[in-house]
Amino acid sequence: EVQLVESGGGLVKPGGSLRLSCAASGFTFSSYSMNWVRQAPGKGLEWVSSISSSSSYIYYADSVKGRFTISRDNAKNSLYLQMNSLRAEDTAVYYCARDPDHDWAFDIWGQGTMVTVSS
Amino acid sequence: QSALTQPASVSGSPGQSITISCTGTSSDVGSYNLVSWYQQHPGKAPKLMIYEGSKRPSGVSNRFSGSKSGNTASLTISGLQAEDEADYYCCSYAGSSSVVFGGGTKLTVL
Repeated sequence: EVQLVESGGGLVKPGGSLRLSCAASGFTFSSYSMNWVRQAPGKGLEWVSSISSSSSYIYYADSVKGRFTISRDNAKNSLYLQMNSLRAEDTAVYYCARDPDHDWAFDIWGQGTMVTVSS
Repeated sequence: QSALTQPASVSGSPGQSITISCTGTSSDVGSYNLVSWYQQHPGKAPKLMIYEGSKRPSGVSNRFSGSKSGNTASLTISGLQAEDEADYYCCSYAGSSSVVFGGGTKLTVL
């Protein structure tokens, strides 16, 4: 079964850091671009970051540029998001999502992990 | 990048057809045929329904169709069913290796 499972969310104080993980199974992880998309409580979806299959190309939304770092370990079938200098507005469910055709459409999503930034 | 504009809500009766619009600009929807649509039920992850403007992934009902005219993309659901009740989001490539989502539309099946 093709599956993505996020972990690492939790409660963190403003200015703090958190590292999210996304474990992939059921497909050849190393062949696909991967993304992080977030959704604040009761709000819409917001694209956060993208990484190509070999990590050659990495992109960020302006809202997280300079604070978040996306990475992947193809040997471990895992995607990561290192989040630093967290703000209240980063509070959201974070989803990892696969882009199968490099056309910015996301066909497989994880169940999400909640990140809460609050003092 | 500003979010794409979607109606906050639409509704329809079972068996009817509804259309959800998604208005962007000449920098995103108008410039690329890279609009996708997602269905999201409460508490669940989004599900890809349409990609590249009008293509359906395997397993998605042919009651769902996508189109585009100028800076506006549209999702049409025909033969409305109770299980179609959900939030729907459009998404477009916006250049400079970024994407922008719409604000979402809540579909109510009456």
